[in-house]
Amino acid sequence: KQEVTQIPAALSVPEGENLVLNCSFTDSAIYNLQWFRQDPGKGLTSLLLIQSSQREQTSGRLNASLDKSSGRSTLYIAASQPGDSATYLCAVRPFTSGTYKYIFGTGTRLKVLA
Amino acid sequence: NAGVTQTPKFRVLKTGQSMTLLCAQDMNHEYMYWYRQDPGMGLRLIHYSVGEGTTAKGEVPDGYNVSRLKKQNFLLGLESAAPSQTSVYFCASSYLAGGPNTGELFFGEGSRLTVL
Repeated sequence: KQEVTQIPAALSVPEGENLVLNCSFTDSAIYNLQWFRQDPGKGLTSLLLIQSSQREQTSGRLNASLDKSSGRSTLYIAASQPGDSATYLCAVRPFTSGTYKYIFGTGTRLKVLA
Repeated sequence: NAGVTQTPKFRVLKTGQSMTLLCAQDMNHEYMYWYRQDPGMGLRLIHYSVGEGTTAKGEVPDGYNVSRLKKQNFLLGLESAAPSQTSVYFCASSYLAGGPNTGELFFGEGSRLTVL
């Protein structure tokens, strides 16, 4: 059964720091992996989607990598800002659950201090 | 482009009352989902639909019903609300027809439901 883990559950960093958020999954047979941002009281906003054939995706200050063989993805945030404070979730779409299901991690709550 | 829109955004119900949450997407997506999000439990799939006229159960379907009469709409119903159904409900949609963005999941803003 596919499980997705995000450690740590919470993280505080000073403004300007480069940081890495981690996402681990137990089964490498996935179609894709997606990173989301969730602000308090809001929905999930898609940040980056990495297909299984890709190694990384970039958008602005964000870079996400995917290593299926080790069951890991990282989200790199460069030059963090207070506006980056939010909960970051990852989700995988595994082969074994049908093409339409997504398995979510429980998120990392990030606070960037001014 | 509105994306995924949920109504209502907030609702308070008394135990035993019924209500319907509406999800509408304007991206012509085939797949639509209803999740609930509770503290410490993460996102849990309630029901999903792989196309107009089809629905299927997710992880936590009990106490909920759904309908997908039109491709763009996915309705979640609570026939007899219980306090355990107090939660934030999210609708999402995706397409899986191929291309670089296949499988990307888009979420609505959420509907906060309180059952007293």
